[in-house]
Amino acid sequence: DIQMTQSPSTLSASVGDRVTITCRASQSISNWLAWYQQKPGKAPKVLISDASSLESGVPSRFSGSGSGTEFTLTISSLQVDDFATYYCQQYNSYSLFTTFGGGTKVEIK
Amino acid sequence: QVQLQESGPGLVKPSETLSLSCTVSGGSISNYYWSWIRQPPGKGLEWIGYIYSSGSTNYNPSLKSRVTISVDRSKNQFSLKLSSMTAADTAVYYCARSAVSAAPHNWIDPWGQGTLVTVSS
Repeated sequence: DIQMTQSPSTLSASVGDRVTITCRASQSISNWLAWYQQKPGKAPKVLISDASSLESGVPSRFSGSGSGTEFTLTISSLQVDDFATYYCQQYNSYSLFTTFGGGTKVEIK
Repeated sequence: QVQLQESGPGLVKPSETLSLSCTVSGGSISNYYWSWIRQPPGKGLEWIGYIYSSGSTNYNPSLKSRVTISVDRSKNQFSLKLSSMTAADTAVYYCARSAVSAAPHNWIDPWGQGTLVTVSS
């Protein structure tokens, strides 16, 4: 199976900061990667699919980039509503099953 | 839009079998892949398996020996059975759909709200 490693596991930041989260795959997954935001007690919400496609209704301060084995989620100017945990997910068509990264918790500094 | 709702017991005894159902509303269960995903308290997400509307399945190898996912198209529902439950299976269980029709390998959207299942005697 393909292992997904996120870093950092926790990130402390202030409103207005530029925030970058990294996700690394144990083998190439092309651009078959999604990013999710999860708030306490809620289901994950997809932000980005296919590594860089912003889902409808997601603010433009969120962006994704990367291909192959290294990917990033960037929040250009952190807002109060963005304090949450973020997960990456690989869905490579050659993989037997999908896997998620371990998560990155974005906390208030 | 499509909405999913999990139902089932919140408490299961060790060694027993968990049975959960997911009711799909606002759309048909046909032509999509439907997944179960779980999240232990304070931990990350683990994909359990999926079923296509035709009934074909794929399971996480780490759980394959204990998992059965089935579909009831007449009720627009799909279900999860997980046998030989232990404390390590305590988690929030989500039902969810692959975002793209007829494509198993996709991002997941939408998700149900999740249901907490605790394994305890």
